[in-house]
Amino acid sequence: DAGITQSPRHKVTETGTPVTLRCHQTENHRYMYWYRQDPGHGLRLIHYSYGVKDTDKGEVSDGYSVSRSKTEDFLLTLESATSSQTSVYFCAISEPGLAGVKVDTQYFGPGTRLTVL
Amino acid sequence: AQTVTQSQPEMSVQEAETVTLSCTYDTSESDYYLFWYKQPPSRQMILVIRQEAYKQQNATENRFSVNFQKAAKSFSLKISDSQLGDAAMYFCACNTPLVFGKGTRLSVIA
Repeated sequence: DAGITQSPRHKVTETGTPVTLRCHQTENHRYMYWYRQDPGHGLRLIHYSYGVKDTDKGEVSDGYSVSRSKTEDFLLTLESATSSQTSVYFCAISEPGLAGVKVDTQYFGPGTRLTVL
Repeated sequence: AQTVTQSQPEMSVQEAETVTLSCTYDTSESDYYLFWYKQPPSRQMILVIRQEAYKQQNATENRFSVNFQKAAKSFSLKISDSQLGDAAMYFCACNTPLVFGKGTRLSVIA
């Protein structure tokens, strides 16, 4: 299994509080991603990083910010958590692809269940 | 924008039988990969199989194989000799970036 850890694994917080989720990898992969998983939606991309200090928005980025100061760490921050951000959050990593494909297989961390009351 | 559609929210199969999960996709990329991921109750996302779109040969991994029809933008997963441990949510996905279908819940009946 790819060396990807997420912390915390579970968190309950209150509306309006800041929350930071951490993803740590030991694979030295270039790309890192944050997804959220909600019933009926599959996984949706929040933000991704293509290198240290290089990040970009995904499909559902509103209300989230990210930072990547080291290759191995990718942080997801909810500045002021809302109940709509109750979800399971997954981190993933990948390397560049071959033959014109930008990104190769993504490997996922174990997920963080976040509940915002 | 890329889209991935899984038209079967739930499927069931008898143990030791074969089942096929359907997936269609749309992408403007000329080169891309397609994936099937499995998510058991543990919630871990596990890669089942990967197909490079530039390869005509269908990918296989032990009991898992795909039927990749590039012109039709179809990418189905066949599970042979189904086992109880195959029960899970299965997600089809296409990159880049990785876009997921909404999943198919597979039950395996003993």
